[in-house]
Amino acid sequence: AQSVTQLDSQVPVFEEAPVELRCNYSSSVSVYLFWYVQYPNQGLQLLLKYLSGSTLVKGINGFEAEFNKSQTSFHLRKPSVHISDTAEYFCAVRSKGGSEKLVFGKGTKLTVNP
Amino acid sequence: EAGVVQSPRYKIIEKKQPVAFWCNPISGHNTLYWYLQNLGQGPELLIRYENEEAVDDSQLPKDRFSAERLKGVDSTLKIQPAELGDSAVYLCASSHTGGTEAFFGQGTRLTVV
Repeated sequence: AQSVTQLDSQVPVFEEAPVELRCNYSSSVSVYLFWYVQYPNQGLQLLLKYLSGSTLVKGINGFEAEFNKSQTSFHLRKPSVHISDTAEYFCAVRSKGGSEKLVFGKGTKLTVNP
Repeated sequence: EAGVVQSPRYKIIEKKQPVAFWCNPISGHNTLYWYLQNLGQGPELLIRYENEEAVDDSQLPKDRFSAERLKGVDSTLKIQPAELGDSAVYLCASSHTGGTEAFFGQGTRLTVV
């Protein structure tokens, strides 16, 4: 079984500041890792994913994440945020192979203030 | 390419009434998921289909919830009777079998009063 812990439920930042959203996971098997974004009253949109290879993954909207196997972490970063980045962000894991379910964290609400 | 389509977007019903949600996955996607998202929480899987077969329904409360995916395309999720605690967002997602990315619909927000 897998589990995901998002360490911050809310992260307020000012526009153009850098941000890091933290994610730690637990799994007894190899996993794929994902970050999804959810805007108000919308479904989930994939930001980026780690499958294998380079541990630094770049996604849409200027976001990137780094996979750290020893620390079982997959933190999301953006060097300069915009007002439009205000949303809920979810980290998720899935075991490799097949079409297994995604296991999500509880989410981090990012609020970008002017 | 059209995305995952869900309807209705919003539904308000009285407790003890039945309700149904519909999902049309992306064309060619054999795997379909229904997730439940409670307020302030991440989504949790209710049921996963491979074509028309439910391969993981361990988290589906079978006393009141049912789902079907006839012909392996569209799917319907039903609650009968609805309870106050069922108020949540119900998300549908689809993917290619063995694919690494699941695509989500916009969800149905259910309010039980």
